[in-house]
Amino acid sequence: DTEVTQTPKHLVMGMTNKKSLKCEQHMGHRAMYWYKQKAKKPPELMFVYSYEKLSINESVPSRFSPECPNSSLLNLHLHALQPEDSALYLCASSQDRVSDTQYFGPGTRLTVL
Amino acid sequence: DQQVKQNSPSLSVQEGRISILNCDYTNSMFDYFLWYKKYPAEGPTFLISISSIKDKNEDGRFTVFLNKSAKHLSLHIVPSQPGDSAVYFCAASGAFGNEKLTFGTGTRLTIIP
Repeated sequence: DTEVTQTPKHLVMGMTNKKSLKCEQHMGHRAMYWYKQKAKKPPELMFVYSYEKLSINESVPSRFSPECPNSSLLNLHLHALQPEDSALYLCASSQDRVSDTQYFGPGTRLTVL
Repeated sequence: DQQVKQNSPSLSVQEGRISILNCDYTNSMFDYFLWYKKYPAEGPTFLISISSIKDKNEDGRFTVFLNKSAKHLSLHIVPSQPGDSAVYFCAASGAFGNEKLTFGTGTRLTIIP
């Protein structure tokens, strides 16, 4: 089973809203990731958690706040987003190292009005 | 600085024929390469990978070839099927401080029935 689940599938929010994206995997993977993907572009890495600790933050604005409550769950808290933050947000996980094969979830399509 | 490049944004292939997708990289520290397939509004699906100690890896209809001296890899799909129509991303990662997964810009493959 190589399944990574993400909720919600779609999210529309205003610029003053606070919302959260959720990601879950039950493969025993110890590295989890958030990516952002705009149309016709490759996924861009945002954050990496390794063994539940934030190991990489790709200079992401503070209006995006990641959280890893346990080894199976990854959240992305959103606050005061801008319309240009509208994108597909992808979660991924891998066995251990960042360079292991990463398995992606289906993504959350976020629209900021 | 685009370290992983897919120079063909699109490719059309007749059903049953071979599809060849190409990818070039510039960073000699990359030692692990992957191919992902992506349908619209979905997360990338892992297809096949290859380590730098090999020059070929095969999995069913999919074969990846790696030419380290040319810093080039290719994905062969044979025979091509209509369900193969998608965007294909190559990705690379490496060790020693360069472990991020770096994606190419993608190639849209269309299989013509």
